[in-house]
Amino acid sequence: EADIYQTPRYLVIGTGKKITLECSQTMGHDKMYWYQQDPGMELHLIHYSYGVNSTEKGDLSSESTVSRIRTEHFPLTLESARPSHTSQYLCASSEYRANTEAFFGQGTRLTVV
Amino acid sequence: KQEVTQIPAALSVPEGENLVLNCSFTDSAIYNLQWFRQDPGKGLTSLLLIQSSQREQTSGRLNASLDKSSGRSTLYIAASQPGDSATYLCAVRRNSGYSTLTFGKGTMLLVSP
Repeated sequence: EADIYQTPRYLVIGTGKKITLECSQTMGHDKMYWYQQDPGMELHLIHYSYGVNSTEKGDLSSESTVSRIRTEHFPLTLESARPSHTSQYLCASSEYRANTEAFFGQGTRLTVV
Repeated sequence: KQEVTQIPAALSVPEGENLVLNCSFTDSAIYNLQWFRQDPGKGLTSLLLIQSSQREQTSGRLNASLDKSSGRSTLYIAASQPGDSATYLCAVRRNSGYSTLTFGKGTMLLVSP
């Protein structure tokens, strides 16, 4: 079983609030990713990191921001939540080598009302 | 731009049947292909990873094949069980740029007792 954890699992929050979704992994992986998934749709990459102090935007434009101050921790922040941010957010990690498996957390289902 | 297509979108079979899920991708310049399982409202569980140099991988009742030149992969599930009911996703890791994963929309499988 993968050692990658996301909190909270479920979050209902009002419009305009600032939120941070947490993601931690204990595998020592250099690469970490955030994906967004709407029901019945494919996962879209919104942010990724290749190591400490490295962050890049993904294929899908997102109003969220990320930071990577420690190897094991990759939080995602929304400064002002809107109903359009309602979605499932999935965090993943993998070793630096490109030919290795990616492991996913259980996801955070965010609802903005 | 890499595009991943999964057919069928949904599949319903009686318990005990053998079944095949299909995945195709448009750009054959990949490091590897990974099959995942996703239960409703949950994260992704890695099932099989096939490197671009490999033709197939097996794990228990699961067998995945890869034909990189034609851009196709199949996931074969033998003797299906109700516990196999889930959405199955395939993802390819491109071998250029930041080598992130690109996902298909998945095949929703229902195995009835």
